[in-house]
Amino acid sequence: DADVTQTPRNRITKTGKRIMLECSQTKGHDRMYWYRQDPGLGLRLIYYSFDVKDINKGEISDGYSVSRQAQAKFSLSLESAIPNQTALYFCATSDPLVDTQYFGPGTRLTVL
Amino acid sequence: KQEVTQIPAALSVPEGENLVLNCSFTDSAIYNLQWFRQDPGKGLTSLLLIQSSQREQTSGRLNASLDKSSGRSTLYIAASQPGDSATYLCAVRSEEYGNKLVFGAGTILRVKS
Repeated sequence: DADVTQTPRNRITKTGKRIMLECSQTKGHDRMYWYRQDPGLGLRLIYYSFDVKDINKGEISDGYSVSRQAQAKFSLSLESAIPNQTALYFCATSDPLVDTQYFGPGTRLTVL
Repeated sequence: KQEVTQIPAALSVPEGENLVLNCSFTDSAIYNLQWFRQDPGKGLTSLLLIQSSQREQTSGRLNASLDKSSGRSTLYIAASQPGDSATYLCAVRSEEYGNKLVFGAGTILRVKS
């Protein structure tokens, strides 16, 4: 089984709808991240969490919120989706002793 | 603000060629630099990580170099294979941003058989 899983893998929704993207990990890492990727741009950080009680805004947090339900779960919500939030969304985890981040397979979100 | 640029944006080569992907960053105050591979539907996989005190790292046919003072890194792929076709992303962890990674836009590589 994959160490970092994301659900759903694909989602099409309409403007104004509330959407939740979920991320689960079995690596036992405290640190979790949400990124979005747009064509021609690198991954940009939306939110990150270094433990269950820690939530921090990233570079592009406007229009998004997160919830860290447990060490293994980190959810990203779009309260009222808009078309320019159409993108590929990645969840990642990391261990503070090792610099590498481990990524999920991504969620492709389309907002019509 | 740290910015990461990758050149070229896309590259198509015949199988067997050696190739170089380039990454540049604007702020040399970095902890480390990583090269990732991105395959469709599979997320990102870390290939090589170079600490700021290191000059290069090697893994199989891959060699990554780092010139921190000039803000440059290269990823060298020897004897390319069709299975190397993917998007390659460079990311830096810079002192300004703590533990967060700043990514380049990537190089899309196609190796033709």
